[in-house]
Amino acid sequence: DAGVIQSPRHEVTEMGQEVTLRCKPISGHDYLFWYRQTMMRGLELLIYFNNNVPIDDSGMPEDRFSAKMPNASFSTLKIQPSEPRDSAVYFCASSLDRVPRVNEQFFGPGTRLTVL
Amino acid sequence: DAKTTQPPSMDCAEGRAANLPCNHSTISGNEYVYWYRQIHSQGPQYIIHGLKNNETNEMASLIITEDRKSSTLILPHATLRDTAVYYCIVSRTNFGNEKLTFGTGTRLTIIP
Repeated sequence: DAGVIQSPRHEVTEMGQEVTLRCKPISGHDYLFWYRQTMMRGLELLIYFNNNVPIDDSGMPEDRFSAKMPNASFSTLKIQPSEPRDSAVYFCASSLDRVPRVNEQFFGPGTRLTVL
Repeated sequence: DAKTTQPPSMDCAEGRAANLPCNHSTISGNEYVYWYRQIHSQGPQYIIHGLKNNETNEMASLIITEDRKSSTLILPHATLRDTAVYYCIVSRTNFGNEKLTFGTGTRLTIIP
């Protein structure tokens, strides 16, 4: 398996532009997580899905952020409009709900977003 | 979820055992101790987890005190590739894959 795939790996955009980050989880995994990492705030969970349904979006910073999971093999995180403070590394992770349950999340390589 | 406390940084000589401590004094009975690590510029990687018994896998050993208020992750023969930030996380797993709350972790540097 190729692991969790994220695209693009790097994104540079200007303030006010729309940004879309993409994630392909590991095939067969039931859960998908979106995290953001900055020097100031560390690694923060933004939202997670179970079987394509959003379960907890309490970490989404504001209405400018939205996430979708139209099917089991694809998710997007959209920022519209983007602001310089959104600059961060965004990670996608997936995990498998198995018995016995283990909270082992597999992380992608991340997307480094820079908003000028 | 219970909060964890870790030293911000540690050094260890290559080839020696690296012992990373973690305090989780408010852990509850249904919470597990998880360890992840993040090598520079990569996503975090699961290492090991446990409830109350000591655990060992191909990567590391986890020692949990009898009162479960603290634990130690042991990398038995540290290599330069083990240089990373190590996160100790407390999480329930009995309700499915609960979200993980990453703290600031311990930055472990393996010295040649």
